[in-house]
Amino acid sequence: GQQVMQIPQYQHVQEGEDFTTYCNSSTTLSNIQWYKQRPGGHPVFLIQLVKSGEVKKQKRLTFQFGEAKKNSSLHITATQTTDVGTYFCAGKAGANNLFFGTGTRLTVIP
Amino acid sequence: EPEVTQTPSHQVTQMGQEVILRCVPISNHLYFYWYRQILGQKVEFLVSFYNNEISEKSEIFDDQFSVERPDGSNFTLKIRSTKLEDSAMYFCASSVRQGSYNEQFFGPGTRLTVL
Repeated sequence: GQQVMQIPQYQHVQEGEDFTTYCNSSTTLSNIQWYKQRPGGHPVFLIQLVKSGEVKKQKRLTFQFGEAKKNSSLHITATQTTDVGTYFCAGKAGANNLFFGTGTRLTVIP
Repeated sequence: EPEVTQTPSHQVTQMGQEVILRCVPISNHLYFYWYRQILGQKVEFLVSFYNNEISEKSEIFDDQFSVERPDGSNFTLKIRSTKLEDSAMYFCASSVRQGSYNEQFFGPGTRLTVL
């Protein structure tokens, strides 16, 4: 079945350091979405990527969709304590639902 | 800002009992979803619902699960005979159009504890 893996599983950074999480799918994706889940909270949509090689930016966050549409990355520049949470990628291959990745839990040390 | 609401926030039940989790999706949304998240793990898709019928379901969504939209606002998930392994956070979500191409709005979740 479809699998979406993320690495690393956990990441601890000092405030101000950069952070990157990588998402890899076993199948080609139609699109990919990223969600953030704060501790004790629910997933909140961040962005969607559709085109091969697409790069989108949201302030300090940069999202990239691989050329083969099987991988994606999220990079945060100069992390802040408000960035704490688990970041999930979610992809769709052919079915009408989202398949969430395993998530990367980010801890930012002040 | 419109939001998805879920009740109750926490449900404790005995193994073998039936539970109904309730959700009120955003009013102009057409697609509804249930997900579950076992503590510390990833979010897992259970079922999607459109036009008063299930459009897709995962392997997790077996005969013990059912969904219903009993009126114009509520969307419910029923677990007929709960098992210990059903303990998890259950999230309802909704979207305007076909979910995989559109942002899904998640509710705050219901934490189900099966004893």
